[in-house]
Amino acid sequence: KNQVEQSPQSLIILEGKNCTLQCNYTVSPFSNLRWYKQDTGRGPVSLTIMTFSENTKSNGRYTATLDADTKQSSLHITASQLSDSASYICVVTIYSGGGADGLTFGKGTHLIIQP
Amino acid sequence: DAGVIQSPRHEVTEMGQEVTLRCKPISGHDYLFWYRQTMMRGLELLIYFNNNVPIDDSGMPEDRFSAKMPNASFSTLKIQPSEPRDSAVYFCASSTGPAGATYEQYFGPGTRLTVT
Repeated sequence: KNQVEQSPQSLIILEGKNCTLQCNYTVSPFSNLRWYKQDTGRGPVSLTIMTFSENTKSNGRYTATLDADTKQSSLHITASQLSDSASYICVVTIYSGGGADGLTFGKGTHLIIQP
Repeated sequence: DAGVIQSPRHEVTEMGQEVTLRCKPISGHDYLFWYRQTMMRGLELLIYFNNNVPIDDSGMPEDRFSAKMPNASFSTLKIQPSEPRDSAVYFCASSTGPAGATYEQYFGPGTRLTVT
């Protein structure tokens, strides 16, 4: 069964600190992996999209890594800011898919940045 | 551009009533997606359209749910009759490419539905 597991479920860190969120998946065959940021009461916003051939992709202070062999991805946030407080969702796509069955969503990591 | 527009932002209704959620995609986007998000199940893709035609509705939970896209700038998601387990946040998103490819999807603010 295709699954995406994210850890930790929640995380609290102090402003200015770095953190890393994890995404492990069993989706096969793999096409691409997305990280979304979702602020409370808002829709998700795309941070990065990586195909199987990409190991790293950055978007400002956000850096996503992908290891297609171990089926793991991480999202690293550098020098966290209060505005980073949000849920971060990992989404994995099946290669032959294009519809609903092709997308597998993680439950997200709820990140809180404290001043 | 105003982004993806959804209405209403909040809807409270009684079990058995019909509910209609509305979405206006970003102009020029050929793909429109409807998602549902709950604490228990997370985010789920319900259905998506390409050029106003439903391409994949395999995520629609049951026959009580239906979606239409009469033109390129408007889509509806209807639940009839509604049940308490339909309570969730429903998102609409639009894109220039399909769900499984590496195209950016732009989400609306969502409609929070509560069925009592």
